[in-house]
Amino acid sequence: QTVVTQEPSLTVSPGGTVTLTCASSTGAVTSGYYPNWFQQKPGQAPRALIYSTSNKHSWTPARFSGSLLGGKAALTLSGVQPEDEAEYYCLLYYGGAQLFGGGTKLTVL
Amino acid sequence: QITLKESGPTLVKPTQTLTLTCTFSGFSLSTSGVGVGWIRQPPGKALEWLALIYWDDDKRYSPSLKSRLTITKDTSKNQVVLTMTNMDPVDTATYYCAHRTTVVIYDYWGQGTLVTVSS
Repeated sequence: QTVVTQEPSLTVSPGGTVTLTCASSTGAVTSGYYPNWFQQKPGQAPRALIYSTSNKHSWTPARFSGSLLGGKAALTLSGVQPEDEAEYYCLLYYGGAQLFGGGTKLTVL
Repeated sequence: QITLKESGPTLVKPTQTLTLTCTFSGFSLSTSGVGVGWIRQPPGKALEWLALIYWDDDKRYSPSLKSRLTITKDTSKNQVVLTMTNMDPVDTATYYCAHRTTVVIYDYWGQGTLVTVSS
């Protein structure tokens, strides 16, 4: 059974930079997995941030960026704001089926 | 403006079949490349992808739940229906539907509907 793994939790200071990663049990994540990133705050539906590795939606703040890093998909937040405290999920595409990672709880402290 | 809204029962009994409807506006499911997916989230847990239907009626299912899921569309009503058989308390979750295209995955989401499975 394929598993998508994210860091369970990360802490960052306001104004700092943090990178969240997304790994696949099948091996290195490539652009062919079309990595997507979502942000979810308590009591809210997820909000799309990044699609196809590094593309931003019109509403995605400039401080969010997506990439491939060391065989994983990565989401980097530069100049973190208090409102970035949330759960972040990646989604990978497996030729039709899709899998979410377990999520990373980002604390801004 | 794209909007989606989930509807269905809030409470189902174990072994029953769950039927959820996603009613959407702002796009057509007859447009090439467009799809609607279902995702669920148990309380306090991670998102789980369930199923997806495309404009051409191509359907995809989570391998772990495939035997229990059916997804259909009614293009004239702008609706997508998900049925899940043999419900169990572990299926208690908020169920979301979301819009996608062949390039952009799940850019617009419904508000979600909480389904509790209990006798």
